[in-house]
Amino acid sequence: ETGVTQTPRHLVMGMTNKKSLKCEQHLGHNAMYWYKQSAKKPLELMFVYNFKEQTENNSVPSRFSPECPNSSHLFLHLHTLQPEDSALYLCASSQDLTSGGIKAKNIQYFGAGTRLSVL
Amino acid sequence: AQKVTQAQTEISVVEKEDVTLDCVYETRDTTYYLFWYKQPPSGELVFLIRRNSFDEQNEISGRYSWNFQKSTSSFNFTITASQVVDSAVYFCALIDTSGTYKYIFGTGTRLKVLA
Repeated sequence: ETGVTQTPRHLVMGMTNKKSLKCEQHLGHNAMYWYKQSAKKPLELMFVYNFKEQTENNSVPSRFSPECPNSSHLFLHLHTLQPEDSALYLCASSQDLTSGGIKAKNIQYFGAGTRLSVL
Repeated sequence: AQKVTQAQTEISVVEKEDVTLDCVYETRDTTYYLFWYKQPPSGELVFLIRRNSFDEQNEISGRYSWNFQKSTSSFNFTITASQVVDSAVYFCALIDTSGTYKYIFGTGTRLKVLA
């Protein structure tokens, strides 16, 4: 139990579907992240939220839409995805990203991921 | 640019053998942090260790040990007397302090420990 819970664990969707991934953290953190993990590729940072504000969008296509209603919850809304979007989507959280000295020390805690298959 | 290289894609060992996972990093910063994470089949990345660039002392935690050498830009991870439960993908990561908090991950090393 890492304190970061992702649902669903598995998702199969067609290219015309709309679905959402959910992430919830119980660690009292204020920063949350979405990563994409594809086979044989490094983890790709997608989005970062700090105190509910998006601070990073790593050139992610608009068919991925994040939402962070509060510091404990993070969603990734999916629509009209492509087969190449099939991957493991990981959520992580860390202490808030404030002063520069703290940023680099932050340990990110990960959820178990959602395995997404786009048909 | 920052980069982390884990040249070993997959390693197989027999239980009780020692195994070392290599990590080589590139950064122009003098202050940075290095991490190791374990990803078991269940999927979540589990934090193992964080090391800052000013602390070159090797660290041991049970069967795990880490060798940090700035001269060769390496941060290698050794598992002593490996066990089947050690089977996982292991990731090395780097954060620099040049104004970004991004983790730069390596591609991971898949370790298979055979009974």
